[in-house]
Amino acid sequence: NAGVTQTPKFRVLKTGQSMTLLCAQDMNHEYMYWYRQDPGMGLRLIHYSVGEGTTAKGEVPDGYNVSRLKKQNFLLGLESAAPSQTSVYFCASTQSFYEQYFGPGTRLTVT
Amino acid sequence: AQSVTQLGSHVSVSEGALVLLRCNYSSSVPPYLFWYVQYPNQGLQLLLKYTSAATLVKGINGFEAEFKKSETSFHLTKPSAHMSDAAEYFCAVSERGSTLGRLYFGRGTQLTVWP
Repeated sequence: NAGVTQTPKFRVLKTGQSMTLLCAQDMNHEYMYWYRQDPGMGLRLIHYSVGEGTTAKGEVPDGYNVSRLKKQNFLLGLESAAPSQTSVYFCASTQSFYEQYFGPGTRLTVT
Repeated sequence: AQSVTQLGSHVSVSEGALVLLRCNYSSSVPPYLFWYVQYPNQGLQLLLKYTSAATLVKGINGFEAEFKKSETSFHLTKPSAHMSDAAEYFCAVSERGSTLGRLYFGRGTQLTVWP
């Protein structure tokens, strides 16, 4: 039981490049979330999903897209990366609203 | 939307001293309340949660928090700090009755423990 895993762990992009971050969970959770963490800002919700095939915008969705084609996977895409998207990205999942399980994070730098 | 305020972005204590990290929320309806800990270069780990019933909640590693409705607070305490407690701590809330389960986080408090 791996819990929540994120791929890749680190990435450096140039401005304008695209990439996809993968989140996978093996707990059969319905709800999945993408957050970004910036110094002094806490975690802010980018997008979330309440079930396979559904996605919705969170607090800071601009510049990101997501997809949830399979229940266990939640993908976060950056179509044209900008330096403002330099951050640490965390994925989380839950079933009960009483606890979210977090992945180890992806550290992204956009130059 | 919910608002979570953590007073003090940095807290320093000596080993063995009391740890007190403050958290206030904005909702008029008591939400679900959580404290998470983040060690360097790691993800977030749940310390404790308040969902209903007992207002004093005990968590892992000797931490506890008390829900005070009248003060809209959920402060985190530990009687005696240990070097291994050095980390960043986040208070978070989730709205009761919501079907989304999303968390609203405070900005975090970095705890430093001096020997």
